[in-house]
Amino acid sequence: AQSVTQLDSQVPVFEEAPVELRCNYSSSVSVYLFWYVQYPNQGLQLLLKYLSGSTLVKGINGFEAEFNKSQTSFHLRKPSVHISDTAEYFCAVRLTSGTYKYIFGTGTRLKVLA
Amino acid sequence: KAGVTQTPRYLIKTRGQQVTLSCSPISGHRSVSWYQQTPGQGLQFLFEYFSETQRNKGNFPGRFSGRQFSNSRSEMNVSTLELGDSALYLCASSLAGTGGGTEAFFGQGTRLTVV
Repeated sequence: AQSVTQLDSQVPVFEEAPVELRCNYSSSVSVYLFWYVQYPNQGLQLLLKYLSGSTLVKGINGFEAEFNKSQTSFHLRKPSVHISDTAEYFCAVRLTSGTYKYIFGTGTRLKVLA
Repeated sequence: KAGVTQTPRYLIKTRGQQVTLSCSPISGHRSVSWYQQTPGQGLQFLFEYFSETQRNKGNFPGRFSGRQFSNSRSEMNVSTLELGDSALYLCASSLAGTGGGTEAFFGQGTRLTVV
């Protein structure tokens, strides 16, 4: 079975400061890794994904994530946040074949302060 | 290109009633999945359909059911509603046949309130 842990339920950060949202996963088989963002009263929007290759993945809105196989982590980073980045962020895994089902973490609420 | 459309956006139902939610995937997408989102449990997988066949089912009681039609549109049904069924129900579609790495596109969800 697979599981995803997002250690921080809430992260407050000042505007223009850097931020890191942590994600650890557990799986006995290969998985793909994803980060999604959810703005209030909206569905989920893909930020970035790791399938294979370079462990540093760049996504939309200036976000990037680094896949670390030995630590089974996929932390999300942004060097300088904006007020508009205030949202909930979800880390997710998916098996590499046979299903399109996601297993999501519990989410991290990012609050950007002026 | 139109996105994933879920109808209705909001619903209020009474305990004991049943409800049907609809999802129209992106044109050409054959895989549809459903998720329940609540503050306490987060995003929980309900079902996955591919070419009208249920491929996976989450750990939900039999009151939750779904189906997919030949045009890939999907519906989910909840019978004998309970207060705990109040949630945001999200539908996601994927362009199947291109491997698990293809991302899912989510609708805006249906907010179900059971009173």
